[in-house]
Amino acid sequence: ILNVEQSPQSLHVQEGDSTNFTCSFPSSNFYALHWYRWETAKSPEALFVMTLNGDEKKKGRISATLNTKEGYSYLYIKGSQPEDSATYLCASRVTSGTYKYIFGTGTRLKVLA
Amino acid sequence: NAGVMQNPRHLVRRRGQEARLRCSPMKGHSHVYWYRQLPEEGLKFMVYLQKENIIDESGMPKERFSAEFPKEGPSILRIQQVVRGDSAAYFCASSDLATVNYGYTFGSGTRLTVV
Repeated sequence: ILNVEQSPQSLHVQEGDSTNFTCSFPSSNFYALHWYRWETAKSPEALFVMTLNGDEKKKGRISATLNTKEGYSYLYIKGSQPEDSATYLCASRVTSGTYKYIFGTGTRLKVLA
Repeated sequence: NAGVMQNPRHLVRRRGQEARLRCSPMKGHSHVYWYRQLPEEGLKFMVYLQKENIIDESGMPKERFSAEFPKEGPSILRIQQVVRGDSAAYFCASSDLATVNYGYTFGSGTRLTVV
């Protein structure tokens, strides 16, 4: 059974603070990891797709790293803004031939102005 | 190029009725995935379909739930004899072989309420 865990569950930060959260996944048979951003009343939107150990991806103030040997990925937000408030989901896929991804429960971020 | 279209957005059913949820994938996408989000929980995988085939239904409850993705038309998630515990948001996502490693494209979800 593939378990993907995210921490913390929720997080409040002040505008301008930098923050990070964690996604843990089984390291055996790892294939790929996705990060999604999910705003209330909208649908999840893909942020990053990561496949290689040591991968670092960046989009504006948001970046992510991947460690497939130990089974974790970090998402960083630099200088948080109120518009960054959302739930951040990670999802992992194993090399079992199926294209399904298993999602973590998400980290709910609230940036206070 | 419209994204993934789900309808209806909201669906209210009485206990014992049937619920039909529709998902039209992005144009050119032949892989459809259904996920369920129960209150205060994350997205739980239900079923993965390609055109006319169920590839993985390991997350589907064994009874009352079925899914199809016919050659023509949208994918349908069908819940027979709904119970209160079926109340949830049901999300559909799609991909094709080229984009599956670039992330899913999600629909806006159908919020099912069983009264």
